[in-house]
Amino acid sequence: DVKVTQSSRYLVKRTGEKVFLECVQDMDHENMFWYRQDPGLGLRLIYFSYDVKMKEKGDIPEGYSVSREKKERFSLILESASTNQTSMYLCASSSDRAVRYGYTFGSGTRLTVV
Amino acid sequence: AQSVTQLDSHVSVSEGTPVLLRCNYSSSYSPSLFWYVQHPNKGLQLLLKYTSAATLVKGINGFEAEFKKSETSFHLTKPSAHMSDAAEYFCDKNQAGTALIFGKGTTLSVSS
Repeated sequence: DVKVTQSSRYLVKRTGEKVFLECVQDMDHENMFWYRQDPGLGLRLIYFSYDVKMKEKGDIPEGYSVSREKKERFSLILESASTNQTSMYLCASSSDRAVRYGYTFGSGTRLTVV
Repeated sequence: AQSVTQLDSHVSVSEGTPVLLRCNYSSSYSPSLFWYVQHPNKGLQLLLKYTSAATLVKGINGFEAEFKKSETSFHLTKPSAHMSDAAEYFCDKNQAGTALIFGKGTTLSVSS
């Protein structure tokens, strides 16, 4: 069964900490994405990547960065965590750049910043 | 800007009655359209997708959606709701060269 795996289901971090959220896919997909999900706002795109070492800003990249050193792994980095980054973070991958066939999602990481 | 609008933030139905979740999209070309479902504390699961083949798309768990280009709509339906259908539903579309655009979600409540 193909998978997108997010390393942590729940995380609690302190304000100002550097936070790493990890995502790994086993489908050999080139395209990977990070979203955050907040009640009433739906899913908002943070960053995405079409290839190793490539990244593109989404709609809300401020306060975040990403790393893609290997095809299967796409990491989201909160440089200095703040309370307004408390959210559910969802990683996804797709088999084609046009996303004609949709995403496969991970199960999400619920991050609380205190 | 391209967008997806889910017309209802919350829909309540009784078990055994039909479900209608409404979605409109903006587009200048033929999009790929999707519905995802998210049960509490779970990730998103693909229900169905439209990729310019048949306009009536059948998905999992008895859900269907009809692509209507003239109305720029892609409404999700099910003839008879089940308690297990209670969840949040997201309509989304691809944006050429980038990523999926998501609606803000519709919470479906099912009462017995």
